[in-house]
Amino acid sequence: GENVEQHPSTLSVQEGDSAVIKCTYSDSASNYFPWYKQELGKGPQLIIDIRSNVGEKKDQRIAVTLNKTAKHFSLHITETQPEDSAVYFCAAPLTNQNDYKLSFGAGTTVTVRA
Amino acid sequence: DVKVTQSSRYLVKRTGEKVFLECVQDMDHENMFWYRQDPGLGLRLIYFSYDVKMKEKGDIPEGYSVSREKKERFSLILESASTNQTSMYLCASSSMGVQYFGPGTRLTVT
Repeated sequence: GENVEQHPSTLSVQEGDSAVIKCTYSDSASNYFPWYKQELGKGPQLIIDIRSNVGEKKDQRIAVTLNKTAKHFSLHITETQPEDSAVYFCAAPLTNQNDYKLSFGAGTTVTVRA
Repeated sequence: DVKVTQSSRYLVKRTGEKVFLECVQDMDHENMFWYRQDPGLGLRLIYFSYDVKMKEKGDIPEGYSVSREKKERFSLILESASTNQTSMYLCASSSMGVQYFGPGTRLTVT
């Protein structure tokens, strides 16, 4: 099965600066890489995802890049705001059976300082 | 909007008790999941169900069982709760790969 490693575990940034979270995966057959955001007291929520046929995807202030050769993908948040403070999880398919099971990274706690 | 609800936000149980955690989704999704979330370990899959009465073990099924008698409801059962099952439990349903999570149940076993 897939093994996903996520770094860093905590990240503190000044409001307005950028934040980058990186994940590596082990299964070269993996083809779907979502990112989830978990705010305090809530369940995780999908914020962006990327499939293996593209190298980058952007949605307003967030973007995800994928390097299939190196087997890593990253989340980029630009112009950070206090509401970006949350725990972020990357994920990859747990198996290649297209059964929608995911293997999650350990999470990154992002704190945006005002 | 997809809504996944969990029966309790906080639960305190004693060692050896049988514990039921209920999850209901309102979007007619076939796939449902139970995870536990622990600091530094992320979300770990306990059980997965891809249809009524169908289930598969995840990464950490020991000490847990599940029940899915109706499509919208997926229950997690701790047959005999132990202190190492103190955790946050998250239920999710999915459609086209996107998982929709409930708010979680924080279970404390004393």
